[in-house]
Amino acid sequence: NAGVTQTPKFRILKIGQSMTLQCTQDMNHNYMYWYRQDPGMGLKLIYYSVGAGITDKGEVPNGYNVSRSTTEDFPLRLELAAPSQTSVYFCASSPSGDHEQYFGPGTRLTVT
Amino acid sequence: SQKIEQNSEALNIQEGKTATLTCNYTNYSPAYLQWYRQDPGRGPVFLLLIRENEKEKRKERLKVTFDTTLKQSLFHITASQPADSATYLCALVWNAGNMLTFGGGTRLMVKP
Repeated sequence: NAGVTQTPKFRILKIGQSMTLQCTQDMNHNYMYWYRQDPGMGLKLIYYSVGAGITDKGEVPNGYNVSRSTTEDFPLRLELAAPSQTSVYFCASSPSGDHEQYFGPGTRLTVT
Repeated sequence: SQKIEQNSEALNIQEGKTATLTCNYTNYSPAYLQWYRQDPGRGPVFLLLIRENEKEKRKERLKVTFDTTLKQSLFHITASQPADSATYLCALVWNAGNMLTFGGGTRLMVKP
């Protein structure tokens, strides 16, 4: 099993550009999550999904959008990138809400 | 609002000693608490989960305690090794069905 994979690993965006961060898991987990982690800080939840077709906002959803058309994929869309979105983004999955989460390797995004 | 506090200062210990990391929280007790390890440039990796009605959990050299009176969890690594050097994150779920909230993490440095 590859676990949770994320692409790209690194990306530099100009202010106002858009992009999609890809996340795929091959463990057939129902729950998937997107977090951002700023330097020296913990993870903050952006969006999560409890199954295909179901998504909900986390703590810091502004400036982001998600979709969940399949169990495996949970892309994160950034519209009109801003410097405040410079961060490391982690995708994670879990079998249910009260199980451990499995994290991807992260995407390091810089907006200039 | 609920808050999680982990010591933001790095913990430096000598190889072979026991490392003890602290996670404090405010207000009411969480339904359960998880500990993760994060290496530089990588996603967090799950270590242990302890529930509200459990006092202690062990896994090999790791031990987690949960004191709802003190509103605190302690994470111990016995016979520490340089390979244990990493950042350790605690994460809480306050109500079943809610999402994990992460602390800021504590960096552990084990010197040979």
